[in-house]
Amino acid sequence: GAVVSQHPSWVICKSGTSVKIECRSLDFQATTMFWYRQFPKQSLMLMATSNEGSKATYEQGVEKDKFLINHASLTLSTLTVTSAHPEDSSFYICSAGSTGYYGYTFGSGTRLTVV
Amino acid sequence: AQSVTQLDSQVPVFEEAPVELRCNYSSSVSVYLFWYVQYPNQGLQLLLKYLSGSTLVKGINGFEAEFNKSQTSFHLRKPSVHISDTAEYFCAVTRNAGGTSYGKLTFGQGTILTVHP
Repeated sequence: GAVVSQHPSWVICKSGTSVKIECRSLDFQATTMFWYRQFPKQSLMLMATSNEGSKATYEQGVEKDKFLINHASLTLSTLTVTSAHPEDSSFYICSAGSTGYYGYTFGSGTRLTVV
Repeated sequence: AQSVTQLDSQVPVFEEAPVELRCNYSSSVSVYLFWYVQYPNQGLQLLLKYLSGSTLVKGINGFEAEFNKSQTSFHLRKPSVHISDTAEYFCAVTRNAGGTSYGKLTFGQGTILTVHP
């Protein structure tokens, strides 16, 4: 079946530094990638949607200059948290959609802790 | 826009008992519906989905769900649960745009299923 590899699984960084999270579709072409944020004991909040080769579309309230999304190829999308602060600590999950497959394949998530 | 309400935040149940996790949705257009399971510190795994056709959908791990358009519901059921079913379950909806376009998924708040021995 469709697999999305997300890494790192865990990352701890210092306040003010940047962190990059990668999502790769291993056996299919991800035409659309969704990035979510999940706070403890809460549901997933959509941050942005990206289509290969296009600029990402951000949800209201999400700072596009802070959460940089790149979807340069059909198999790779990245989320960079710039100048991270403790309030950015969260669980980030990507989800890929592929033409012809009515479903969304999720990555395994990245636990970001900013200290 | 679509919205999803999962009616129970927590559902405790004993092993081998049946379980139903309730999901209601709201939408002015036709929708696709999904159930996902999430284990601690992991991503989401698709249990089943309704796109069209038969309203009774069978998924993995013995789960099934029934789409009820008149009641705008998509409840998840399993006749006999196992300890390993302990996890959080999310109901999700997206608009039926047809073709191959991918609309945004809207998630419910999640239901934590705890199976006790």
